[in-house]
Amino acid sequence: GIQVEQSPPDLILQEGANSTLRCNFSDSVNNLQWFHQNPWGQLINLFYIPSGTKQNGRLSATTVATERYSLLYISSSQTTDSGVYFCAVGQGAQKLVFGQGTRLTINP
Amino acid sequence: DTEVTQTPKHLVMGMTNKKSLKCEQHMGHRAMYWYKQKAKKPPELMFVYSYEKLSINESVPSRFSPECPNSSLLNLHLHALQPEDSALYLCASSQAGRGLAGVPDTQYFGPGTRLTVL
Repeated sequence: GIQVEQSPPDLILQEGANSTLRCNFSDSVNNLQWFHQNPWGQLINLFYIPSGTKQNGRLSATTVATERYSLLYISSSQTTDSGVYFCAVGQGAQKLVFGQGTRLTINP
Repeated sequence: DTEVTQTPKHLVMGMTNKKSLKCEQHMGHRAMYWYKQKAKKPPELMFVYSYEKLSINESVPSRFSPECPNSSLLNLHLHALQPEDSALYLCASSQAGRGLAGVPDTQYFGPGTRLTVL
């Protein structure tokens, strides 16, 4: 099956810093989503981005499908950005395979 | 409204009990999902319903029995579980139940049910 690798596994930053999270995948995909899981377990969808670039406030994402990677950018980090960021990819209609996640800690 | 609700929030059950988890969405989505997430691990897909029919079963043990009574509701019936089944159970829904071309199949997750099996 498709493999999803996220880096770095852990990231600790001060409030106000910028960060880049990476997601590599082993095969072509037609579905790629970024999620944020807060400390209480709620998964929030950040982007549906199988290709191209999108921005939403301080967050943006770019997927280069031909090179099989996606990047999530977080600018001017806030403590509420802490949590685990997951990249999930799919080749079919519905099945998503999640990466292991990047655990982000933003210190005040 | 992009809300998926799940009940109960927490559940503690013995290995001989029968219980059910419930999930509801009112976004008109035609695909609904059950995921299992162990601590410090990513979610793992268990089941997918598309247009109220089971379309994916990821070789889940029969002690987990899904049910989709209508397009808004999804249940997960639990029977004779093992302690290793303790986990966070997440429900999700998405619009494109048949992977329609050009339709973003964004998945929206509920808050989960934290299950402990004693």
